[in-house]
Amino acid sequence: QKEVEQDPGPLSVPEGAIVSLNCTYSNSAFQYFMWYRQYSRKGPELLMYTYSSGNKEDGRFTAQVDKSSKYISLFIRDSQPSDSATYLCAMGPVEGAQKLVFGQGTRLTINP
Amino acid sequence: DTEVTQTPKHLVMGMTNKKSLKCEQHMGHRAMYWYKQKAKKPPELMFVYSYEKLSINESVPSRFSPECPNSSLLNLHLHALQPEDSALYLCASSQVQSYEQYFGPGTRLTVT
Repeated sequence: QKEVEQDPGPLSVPEGAIVSLNCTYSNSAFQYFMWYRQYSRKGPELLMYTYSSGNKEDGRFTAQVDKSSKYISLFIRDSQPSDSATYLCAMGPVEGAQKLVFGQGTRLTINP
Repeated sequence: DTEVTQTPKHLVMGMTNKKSLKCEQHMGHRAMYWYKQKAKKPPELMFVYSYEKLSINESVPSRFSPECPNSSLLNLHLHALQPEDSALYLCASSQVQSYEQYFGPGTRLTVT
């Protein structure tokens, strides 16, 4: 079993839909949870950063962490074609070191 | 706009060449990272520098040689690479005690 599981998709939804992206993990030591957006042939862009459990909102994006279920989510409201990208979850620490474990990434397409 | 810059954007090199990738950050971060990313895969950590000292080497072959000349700059020296080393090489930076890593746009390397 991988330490972080993320459905690679691809996921295709119409413009304006609410998108839900998810990761599950097995390591209860993880405290820091990130979501990155990566456009084709570009570097990952940090979208959301959450420490421990709870929700965090930034514009159309909401990140949720449920440590009891070892499950994190990213919601995108009023999705736009410009949101089409690969979304990577990442979490740490790994063995107490300043390292992240990444999910496999979900490829998302928003259709106009 | 990313505050982590990488040069060159693209690099094609033969297996006997020596080349260097460069990374610069202007965020005052004291931790810097090199990652390798293959197509449709998440970034894979190679090296971590903390306060300009190598703190993590993920058992990377010696044909990859990192260097951190000062707190803003990170280099990756390449020598005698193999075609399977062709990938997107990403630089990232963060505060030393933080897991919020900010990525550069990457250098797309092709080894012929």
